[in-house]
Amino acid sequence: KAGVTQTPRYLIKTRGQQVTLSCSPISGHRSVSWYQQTPGQGLQFLFEYFSETQRNKGNFPGRFSGRQFSNSRSEMNVSTLELGDSALYLCASSWNRQASGEKLFFGSGTQLSVL
Amino acid sequence: DQQVKQNSPSLSVQEGRISILNCDYTNSMFDYFLWYKKYPAEGPTFLISISSIKDKNEDGRFTVFLNKSAKHLSLHIVPSQPGDSAVYFCAASANKLVFGAGTILRVKS
Repeated sequence: KAGVTQTPRYLIKTRGQQVTLSCSPISGHRSVSWYQQTPGQGLQFLFEYFSETQRNKGNFPGRFSGRQFSNSRSEMNVSTLELGDSALYLCASSWNRQASGEKLFFGSGTQLSVL
Repeated sequence: DQQVKQNSPSLSVQEGRISILNCDYTNSMFDYFLWYKKYPAEGPTFLISISSIKDKNEDGRFTVFLNKSAKHLSLHIVPSQPGDSAVYFCAASANKLVFGAGTILRVKS
């Protein structure tokens, strides 16, 4: 069974640009969550999508948005990029919505560098 | 507001000895706690979990202890192996999974 697939693996953008990251969950998984990882900050929760609806959102500005398609694939978009957006963006999938004890399966991430 | 804290950024242990990674939390609503391991250039992978109604869970070389009164949990790895060298994230769950900043474990051979 294929794991969580994130594309692209690496991305270099300049300030002010926008970027779209893609995530294909494990087959059968309906929940997709996005996390931002920066050194010293751990994994910061961005949002969770389940059945094409955003179910939960972290404390990130509106420049960060996402969506989920009917096949559970998800995209994350960041507009008007800032230097501080440079990070590893991780996507995780699970059978159901994030709930107590629900294991998340992570992709390898997209490393975004903003110059 | 860091609800889950891993106060040790790094830990170095000799092969064969015990590794103890610690985690503190502030939110009493957390009812499930998980540990994830992350190697460079890979996503985190699930390691072990514990429900808040338990105080210990064991899986092979890995044991997680939970002290609810102190809002503290720890991961014990015995014996430690060089392949255990990775970043370990503590996470706590209510309606979403909240992660700590991670602890880099180095196991020296």
